[in-house]
Amino acid sequence: TQLLEQSPQFLSIQEGENLTVYCNSSSVFSSLQWYRQEPGEGPVLLVTVVTGGEVKKLKRLTFQFGDARKDSSLHITAAQPGDTGLYLCAGFSGGSNYKLTFGKGTLLTVNP
Amino acid sequence: NAGVTQTPKFRILKIGQSMTLQCTQDMNHNYMYWYRQDPGMGLKLIYYSVGAGITDKGEVPNGYNVSRSTTEDFPLRLELAAPSQTSVYFCASSPPGQGNQPQHFGDGTRLSIL
Repeated sequence: TQLLEQSPQFLSIQEGENLTVYCNSSSVFSSLQWYRQEPGEGPVLLVTVVTGGEVKKLKRLTFQFGDARKDSSLHITAAQPGDTGLYLCAGFSGGSNYKLTFGKGTLLTVNP
Repeated sequence: NAGVTQTPKFRILKIGQSMTLQCTQDMNHNYMYWYRQDPGMGLKLIYYSVGAGITDKGEVPNGYNVSRSTTEDFPLRLELAAPSQTSVYFCASSPPGQGNQPQHFGDGTRLSIL
């Protein structure tokens, strides 16, 4: 069974601070996705990374896929209260397996 | 745009009762999924389907059944509800591709078994 470990599990910061959350595995993934989930709603896709070493930017969010495709990170610059939510990483192992493996998530609270 | 619609949003069941969680999508997606989300545990795959008439077990299928008679609908059936099935259930769909397409989620069904 492939596992994705996310850290930290909880993070509470003040508006304007920077933060990084991590998603690590001992397994290689063909691609990795990051989702954000707000209370009472389903997860929403933020980004998909597919190439080892790839870096993608989405406004103040920077996503990186590790060179060996076993880990990923999400960096938020100048966090805002609207960034509050549960951040989930999900890995796809490739082939005819249509399933994603989800991490347990990082619950981020940005205080005004 | 409706996307993925789940009903009901909330439900309380007694131990031993049965119910069906409904999921429908209007994006013509081939792939559909059922997950459960427990506090601090992320999303666990219950069942998935790659097209009408085709279903397969995920990580935690025991106590559940599914069917996929149409592209749009993917209901999840709970037989003999147990307290361990108290959870938030999410249905998702994705377009055809190599399996790394984005999954589109409904807003969930919050189920309590008492």
